[in-house]
Amino acid sequence: ETGVTQSPTHLIKTRGQQVTLRCSSQSGHNTVSWYQQALGQGPQFIFQYYREEENGRGNFPPRFSGLQFPNYSSELNVNALELDDSALYLCASSLDAAGGTYNEQFFGPGTRLTVL
Amino acid sequence: AQKITQTQPGMFVQEKEAVTLDCTYDTSDPSYGLFWYKQPSSGEMIFLIYQGSYDQQNATEGRYSLNFQKARKSANLVISASQLGDSAMYFCAMREDFTGGGNKLTFGTGTQLKVEL
Repeated sequence: ETGVTQSPTHLIKTRGQQVTLRCSSQSGHNTVSWYQQALGQGPQFIFQYYREEENGRGNFPPRFSGLQFPNYSSELNVNALELDDSALYLCASSLDAAGGTYNEQFFGPGTRLTVL
Repeated sequence: AQKITQTQPGMFVQEKEAVTLDCTYDTSDPSYGLFWYKQPSSGEMIFLIYQGSYDQQNATEGRYSLNFQKARKSANLVISASQLGDSAMYFCAMREDFTGGGNKLTFGTGTQLKVEL
């Protein structure tokens, strides 16, 4: 069974640029969640995708957007990068967002984004 | 809104000793779930243990146990027989369900655990 994978591992961008981060969910999982973890903080929920639709969103501006593909992999796009966007971005996959009372989220290794 | 509080920024424990990491939570939902994750320096979040709000018994997973005190809204993690490999950041998290299905995790600020010889 393949776990959650993310690419790239590290990324350096400058202010104002756009970035795309990628996540492949664990085999059989149809739900992907994205989290932002600033240095020294706990992860903050960005949004969740279930069967290619945004299922829930945290307190992040519209320049944070995402996609989920038919194979349940996902992308996180951030436009107009700001210095505060520097963080570890974690992707987590789980099974069946609808109706589950307990669906463990399995995390990937993260993408470390640095904005200069 | 849900909130998780971890008041111990850092903890030290000697190898083979037990250690308790504190977590308190706040929610108005009658149904919720509490998680503990371990995050080594590599960055990946590793699931350790889960406690449902209606579970009658405290959860245990090997050397990990969760001391769940519902009335006090606390969910402390107990690690028995600490090992050097337990040195890592530990996060307490709460599951919040969306109305139409799905959920998110709300995390605390974490506790950095250092296991010493």
